[in-house]
Amino acid sequence: DTEVTQTPKHLVMGMTNKKSLKCEQHMGHRAMYWYKQKAKKPPELMFVYSYEKLSINESVPSRFSPECPNSSLLNLHLHALQPEDSALYLCASSPGTSGISYEQYFGPGTRLTVT
Amino acid sequence: GEDVEQSLFLSVREGDSSVINCTYTDSSSTYLYWYKQEPGAGLQLLTYIFSNMDMKQDQRLTVLLNKKDKHLSLRIADTQTGDSAIYFCAESGVEYGNKLVFGAGTILRVKS
Repeated sequence: DTEVTQTPKHLVMGMTNKKSLKCEQHMGHRAMYWYKQKAKKPPELMFVYSYEKLSINESVPSRFSPECPNSSLLNLHLHALQPEDSALYLCASSPGTSGISYEQYFGPGTRLTVT
Repeated sequence: GEDVEQSLFLSVREGDSSVINCTYTDSSSTYLYWYKQEPGAGLQLLTYIFSNMDMKQDQRLTVLLNKKDKHLSLRIADTQTGDSAIYFCAESGVEYGNKLVFGAGTILRVKS
């Protein structure tokens, strides 16, 4: 099983709403990632969790709050977002965070629209 | 610095070979990757190569690495319409804090 799953597939939310994105993997990977991707652009790294601990926060605004409840799950809590936050949010996982264990497997993404 | 460059667009006929090129700048890169993204989908890891290798072949895919020129290429043999997608080159290395650095992506269009 080399699958990373994400829910929901699509999400429309207002600027005052609170919502969460979910990501799950059952490959035994110890690193998980959130990326933001705008149309026809490469993904931009937001957060990295390594062994369930936040290891990288790429200066992401506090209206995005990540959570790693266990080694298989990764959440992204959203609150008071802006229209410019509309994008495809991708989750990824990798066996580790260095060397050959760094190959990242991506989920299908959540298409977020902020109105 | 962090700089991975790719040509933005490539158009080929079905059955021809496609070659997508990428240049990178980090001299200590350990792994270089090719990802494929179809419309509305996530990124699919196609293949990767360790920086001490020259070539890697996997079915229709051939990756060539010229470490001296910091040039990476992906050749797709017998290109099919299902190969139409955006292809991202990426590198990782200790100097990037173990982050993946992506190129801008090459849009491959396959004409039938």
